[in-house]
Amino acid sequence: DAGVIQSPRHEVTEMGQEVTLRCKPISGHNSLFWYRQTMMRGLELLIYFNNNVPIDDSGMPEDRFSAKMPNASFSTLKIQPSEPRDSAVYFCASAQTRGGTEAFFGQGTRLTVV
Amino acid sequence: QKEVEQDPGPLSVPEGAIVSLNCTYSNSAFQYFMWYRQYSRKGPELLMYTYSSGNKEDGRFTAQVDKSSKYISLFIRDSQPSDSATYLCAMSLLQGAQKLVFGQGTRLTINP
Repeated sequence: DAGVIQSPRHEVTEMGQEVTLRCKPISGHNSLFWYRQTMMRGLELLIYFNNNVPIDDSGMPEDRFSAKMPNASFSTLKIQPSEPRDSAVYFCASAQTRGGTEAFFGQGTRLTVV
Repeated sequence: QKEVEQDPGPLSVPEGAIVSLNCTYSNSAFQYFMWYRQYSRKGPELLMYTYSSGNKEDGRFTAQVDKSSKYISLFIRDSQPSDSATYLCAMSLLQGAQKLVFGQGTRLTINP
């Protein structure tokens, strides 16, 4: 398996623009997580899906952020409109939570909003 | 106060040294404790996983959990330059990878 695949790896956008980050989880995993990593705040959970259903979105910072998981093999995280303080590395992770213990992370998307 | 506190370092030690990394936490309900390793420009990867209190050893790595003190540690013996990375502690109320709460991460450099 190729692991969790995220795209794009890098994204530079202007303030106010819409940004869409994409994630393909590991096949067979039933849970998907979106994290954001910054120097100041570390790694923070934004939203968690189980069997394609959003379970906990309490970490989503504000209404500008939205996430979807239309099927078991694809998820998106959208920021609209983007702001400079959204600049961070965004990670997607997947896990088999039935009996599993490990979350497998993608390589991340480095987002810069100028 | 953050739920999980971890000294961000940076920590720099000579090759072969014993390294001690630590985290404290405030939520006594945490049951599952993990250490993730993150190389530069990569995603975190699971290094050690422990349930409740006690020790767990895997090669040169030992994880300790002291729930009474709300304190967890990772020890690296005979450290190697390839161990240079950021180490993140993580905790969860639930089994598996659900809703992990991460520490800030400690940046470690092993000097040859």
